[in-house]
Amino acid sequence: QSALTQPRSVSGSPGQSVTISCTGTTSDVGGYNYVSWYQQYPGKAPKLVIFDVTQRPSGVPDRFSGSKSANTASLTVSGLQADDEADYFCCSYAGSQTWVFGGGTKLTVL
Amino acid sequence: EVQLVESGGGLVQPGGSLRLSCAASGFTFSNHWMYWIRQVPGKGLVWVSRIKYDGGFTSYADSVKGRFITSRDNAKNTLYLEMSSLRVDDTAIYYCARDYSSVPDHWGQGTLVTVTS
Repeated sequence: QSALTQPRSVSGSPGQSVTISCTGTTSDVGGYNYVSWYQQYPGKAPKLVIFDVTQRPSGVPDRFSGSKSANTASLTVSGLQADDEADYFCCSYAGSQTWVFGGGTKLTVL
Repeated sequence: EVQLVESGGGLVQPGGSLRLSCAASGFTFSNHWMYWIRQVPGKGLVWVSRIKYDGGFTSYADSVKGRFITSRDNAKNTLYLEMSSLRVDDTAIYYCARDYSSVPDHWGQGTLVTVTS
C-alpha cells in the first residue's frame, strides 16, 4: 500500500493549462479504471473533481479533465482561474478491497 | 444535499482508545458503502477502511488492521470507527466519505484525533 507519486507543486498563469501526474503500478493505477481526483482548499474537506479516470461529477467545470496511460494518471486543468489554486490528490483502487492516495500536488496560479 | 458530520475526535494517550462517529443525511445511507480516510494536517490523504452498505464486509489498511474496527448502524444513519492501541502516528484528521462506484465522492469536514503523552 505505497502512496501514489505526484509532483509536490505545479504552477501556471491565468488562462493557461497545467497537468498533474499521478504514478502508480500495475497493481493500482495501471490495473483498474478506478482513478479519482480531489481538490482541497486549506482547512476544507476534499471535493471530487474526476472519477473513473475521465468522468466529471455534475457541477464540475469541463476545464477539469482526466486521462490515464499505463501506470500514470493525469489531471489537466485548462483555462486556469485564481480559485483553482488548491491541493490536488489522486486516488486509485489497489485491489483486494484497498485504496491508495497520492501525496498531493499544490497548484499555484501565478 | 448529502451531509456527513464526524465527531468524537480529541486528545488521547498512546495505547488508548477512541470512537469516532459519522452522522449521514441527505441520501439513503443503507444503500452506500462508506469509507474512513485520514490526513495528517498539511500532508497527504491515507485510506483507512471501507464498509459494505449492510455492514457485512469491511476492509482495512495494513497500518490499522487489528487495531481499528469500522461498523455502522443503518437505523441511525451513522458510521463508526473504533480505534484502539492508538499510536502517535495515528494523529490525523479523520474523514468519513460516501462511496459512489468504488470512489469516495462526498466527504465530511473531518474530526481531529491527537495521540500524545
